[in-house]
Amino acid sequence: NAGVTQTPKFQVLKTGQSMTLQCAQDMNHNSMYWYRQDPGMGLRLIYYSASEGTTDKGEVPNGYNVSRLNKREFSLRLESAAPSQTSVYFCASREGLAGEQFFGPGTRLTVL
Amino acid sequence: GDSVTQMEGPVTLSEEAFLTINCTYTATGYPSLFWYVQYPGEGLQLLLKATKADDKGSNKGFEATYRKETTSFHLEKGSVQVSDSAVYFCALKNQGAQKLVFGQGTRLTINP
Repeated sequence: NAGVTQTPKFQVLKTGQSMTLQCAQDMNHNSMYWYRQDPGMGLRLIYYSASEGTTDKGEVPNGYNVSRLNKREFSLRLESAAPSQTSVYFCASREGLAGEQFFGPGTRLTVL
Repeated sequence: GDSVTQMEGPVTLSEEAFLTINCTYTATGYPSLFWYVQYPGEGLQLLLKATKADDKGSNKGFEATYRKETTSFHLEKGSVQVSDSAVYFCALKNQGAQKLVFGQGTRLTINP
């Protein structure tokens, strides 16, 4: 099992460019999450999807959109990147509310 | 709202030293508490957890006890190794909630 996979691993964008971060899990989990990690701030939830077909905002959703494409895949889109979105982005999944949350390896994004 | 506060880092210790990383929390209800570890270049992995007061979570020589009276979940290890060098995150999840709330992380470096 690959667990949670993310692509790309690294990306550099110019201000105003758009891109989509991809995430997939092969554990048949219902819930999926997108976090950003910034120095001194821990991880903050951007969006989550409790089940296929649903998405909800987290703490810091502004500037992002998400798509739960199917049970396996949950993508994060930046429509017009800004330097404040420079961060490391982690995708995670969990089977149910009581289950362990599994994290992907992360995408390091730099916006110039 | 719910929050987690960890001791400021970075923390540098010599091999075989005793480790404590403090974590306190504020939450409504009866949260579950977690410690995650992030090794260089990787995503977060669950290290241990406790789901109710006085529970002790343990794994890989690390321990933490859920102390409701002091709202704390301090991470300890009796003899650290170089391979324990990583960033450690304390987190909580309230019953019925989707999201994890993370502390800011503590970077631990162990010198041989």
